[in-house]
Amino acid sequence: EVQLLESGGGLVQPGGSLRLSCAASGFTFSSHAMSWVRQAPGKGLEWVSTITGSGGGSYYADSVKGRFTISRDNSKNTLYLQMNSLRAEDTAVYYCARETLRIFGVVTIDYWGQGTLVTVSS
Amino acid sequence: DIQMTQSPSSLFASVGERVTINCRASQTINSYLNWYQQKPGQAPKLLIYGVSTLQSGVPSRFSGSGSGTDFTLTISSLHPEDFATYYCQQSFSSLYTFGQGTKLEIK
Repeated sequence: EVQLLESGGGLVQPGGSLRLSCAASGFTFSSHAMSWVRQAPGKGLEWVSTITGSGGGSYYADSVKGRFTISRDNSKNTLYLQMNSLRAEDTAVYYCARETLRIFGVVTIDYWGQGTLVTVSS
Repeated sequence: DIQMTQSPSSLFASVGERVTINCRASQTINSYLNWYQQKPGQAPKLLIYGVSTLQSGVPSRFSGSGSGTDFTLTISSLHPEDFATYYCQQSFSSLYTFGQGTKLEIK
């Protein structure tokens, strides 16, 4: 059974830093790209970042580029999101998510964790 | 970035009714279009990928169609458990984007 368990969320002051972790199990971690998707309170889904299975490539939404860094440790089956220079608008539930490449190159986000809440406030 | 626009933003319907949710991309995304369902307090769930392929376990009352820039999610006959928020998402670009969501509520 695929499981994704996020941790590391909490309350942080504006300008502060936080590192999220996501422990994965039930699948071959290194075979899948992984993403972070966030959802501000009462709002819709916003893709944040993706990292390839090997960790050799990563992508970021414009809203976090230069402030957030995605990484992974395939020996520990763990995904990370280092968040620096946090702003009030970064307040959200952050979901760890697994990607799967389907037929004809379609990429899906097919498993999601339950999310960890990050609150940026003074 | 590719913008995804859903309509309507909210929708009131009754059990047994047929409903349609639309999603438009700001540029062509070929068939790289997925649909997700999210219920309050839960993580999103993949429903449909590649425009029209049902994820394993998803009931056949759900269907997807479209191409290029315009796409549709149809629920042929609403069940009580279908009342939720639905999101489209493009994976044509490596910078994924979601629609703003369509909240489906009971009439």
